[in-house]
Amino acid sequence: GALVYQYPRRTICKSGTSMRMECQAVGFQATSVAWYRQSPQKTFELIALSTVNSAIKYEQNFTQEKFPISHPNLSFSSMTVLNAYLEDRGLYLCGARRDIANTEVFFGKGTRLTVV
Amino acid sequence: GEQVEQRPPHLSVREGDSAIIICTYTDSATAYFSWYKQEAGAGLQLLMSVLSNVDRKEEQGLTVLLNKKDKRLSLNLTAAHPGDSAVYFCAVRQGGRALIFGTGTTVSVSP
Repeated sequence: GALVYQYPRRTICKSGTSMRMECQAVGFQATSVAWYRQSPQKTFELIALSTVNSAIKYEQNFTQEKFPISHPNLSFSSMTVLNAYLEDRGLYLCGARRDIANTEVFFGKGTRLTVV
Repeated sequence: GEQVEQRPPHLSVREGDSAIIICTYTDSATAYFSWYKQEAGAGLQLLMSVLSNVDRKEEQGLTVLLNKKDKRLSLNLTAAHPGDSAVYFCAVRQGGRALIFGTGTTVSVSP
C-alpha cells in the first residue's frame, strides 16, 4: 500500500534556531508533495506545493526564505523551519500524490514542533 | 484563490443522532472533494472523497452530498456514536493544485 512517513514525530527547538523535518513516500512515487501547518486550535494552512521538475509554489504568508523545501526525487521531501519562533509551533503535515490528476492524497502523521 | 468556509465550528449531539457539517467553496473549477477526521493528538484520516461528477456517496454510516450549483459540500454522520467525537475537515482541490482545508468542526457525541 501507499504510505507516507514523517520524522521526527515530535521535536522541540529553542526560539531562533532551525528545525528540519522529513517526508518519505513508500509504495508509490510522490510526484507532488504539499506541506501544511496546523497551528493550535486551527485548520491546516497550506505552506507550499512542490512538484518534481517544477518550481515550488509557496502560499501567501509563507516564503522560501523561512520554509525552504527540498524535493529531490519521487520518494522524499524535506522542509526546514528557519529561525523558529513561538508562532511557528504546531503540527506540520506533508501530503503526497502520485500525479496531478484527481487522486487521493496520502498524509503522514505529522511532525509536531514545539518552540521554547 | 480558493476559499473554503466550514460550519458549524462546534457540534454536540447525542449518541444515535445525526450530525451534519457543511462546507462552501468559491472556485467552480474545484473538482475533488474530501472529508477528513482528526482525533485528539493524531494526524488526518481520510473518510471519503468524491469527484465533481458525483452528487451523493454513502459509506459506513457517512453520506457526502455535493451541490455544484451552490458550491456546497456536506457530510452527514448518521447514528453518531462516541467514537465519532473528533475534529472534521473538508478539503477540496482543483486539478493539479494542493488540497485546501476548511476551518474544521469539532464534533462531540455524548452517550
